[in-house]
Amino acid sequence: GESVGLHLPTLSVQEGDNSIINCAYSNSASDYFIWYKQESGKGPQFIIDIRSNMDKRQGQRVTVLLNKTVKHLSLQIAATQPGDSAVYFCAVLTSGGYNKLIFGAGTRLAVHP
Amino acid sequence: DARVTQTPRDKVTEMGQEVTMRCQPILGHNTVFWYRQTMKQGLELLAYFRNRAPLDDSGMPKDRFSAEMPDATLATLKIQPSEPRDSAVYFCASGGTSGTEQFFGPGTRLTVL
Repeated sequence: GESVGLHLPTLSVQEGDNSIINCAYSNSASDYFIWYKQESGKGPQFIIDIRSNMDKRQGQRVTVLLNKTVKHLSLQIAATQPGDSAVYFCAVLTSGGYNKLIFGAGTRLAVHP
Repeated sequence: DARVTQTPRDKVTEMGQEVTMRCQPILGHNTVFWYRQTMKQGLELLAYFRNRAPLDDSGMPKDRFSAEMPDATLATLKIQPSEPRDSAVYFCASGGTSGTEQFFGPGTRLTVL
């Protein structure tokens, strides 16, 4: 079955630096990927998504990169701010009958002044 | 500002008691998901409804958990009897037909003593 893993459980960055959060997935047939942000005491919040026919997608201060060859996904946050401190999850859409998201374990991003 | 609502936000109960969690999906959304989040297991999908019909509840312990959608504006997750290992944060999410972009509620923090 599908599994999603993250390279680092915690990432500490200085305010203003760029952050990169990585994610690996196992099913090469996966075709839709999402990054979520979860702040303390809240539910996950959609940040950005990407389909397998793309290798890069940009949003406001965030970029998602997809490398299908090595089944790797990354989230880049430019000019990281204290408000970016949260846990970030990648999620992969499973296929076969109906759509279901499989979430990774999460990476905690800590932004220091 | 459309959002998913969940009640109660916090619930403390004793082992063996029945627990009912409620969710109001975003108006117009026809898919509803129940997730459980723990430090150990992360975000796990418990149940998935489309147009009020259960599509997948394979993630749910069948002997004690039940999920229903009495109408399009209400989803319920019931645990009877509750056990300490059920302690977790339970999230409801809703989305459109594709089930891809999911909007999460604030969660119900359940503590079973």
